[in-house]
Amino acid sequence: AQKITQTQPGMFVQEKEAVTLDCTYDTSDPSYGLFWYKQPSSGEMIFLIYQGSYDQQNATEGRYSLNFQKARKSANLVISASQLGDSAMYFCAMRELYGGSQGNLIFGKGTKLSVKP
Amino acid sequence: GAVVSQHPSWVICKSGTSVKIECRSLDFQATTMFWYRQFPKQSLMLMATSNEGSKATYEQGVEKDKFLINHASLTLSTLTVTSAHPEDSSFYICSARDLAGGPEETQYFGPGTRLLVL
Repeated sequence: AQKITQTQPGMFVQEKEAVTLDCTYDTSDPSYGLFWYKQPSSGEMIFLIYQGSYDQQNATEGRYSLNFQKARKSANLVISASQLGDSAMYFCAMRELYGGSQGNLIFGKGTKLSVKP
Repeated sequence: GAVVSQHPSWVICKSGTSVKIECRSLDFQATTMFWYRQFPKQSLMLMATSNEGSKATYEQGVEKDKFLINHASLTLSTLTVTSAHPEDSSFYICSARDLAGGPEETQYFGPGTRLLVL
């Protein structure tokens, strides 16, 4: 069965510094996608970044990068130059790409990031 | 990215009434939509997967007669909470995928609906 583990319930980071949010996953499927979403207090889920299991390079999107270590089954999110607006819940998620599950996302429990001025 | 709307954003109702929540994909066709429920400070819990033109697939433990899902078109899915009770109070979020984008296509979320049953 698929599983996503986020071991950091809460994280603090100083404004303008970088922060790494941990995510490990478990799956027996060779084809999968890894996603990170941001959920501010308003509740909306904002897509940040995607990494496919066959992608050779780590994904990057602006200040977000994904440190993908396939052998260790980890997909950590790195946020560079933190801003006050980055304070939110962050969810790591996984999806089988070709399986019969209709592609629903499996979510971790989330990490609450607080950026200090 | 693609836009998914959800209506209403807030609803307060009396116990025993039914509440309908709409989820629309605004700029793409979504053959599959997903309905999630989220309790405070917890992760998203998948309730059901909604396929256009067919019956929804419910997750274990989710009452299909309680949470009616209809996916009548490629851009609209509705969730009806029937005979709502205070324990149904929660944050409900829908999401949709543009399957034309292939298996790696991102899943986009609506802004969510906060339901409070008095």
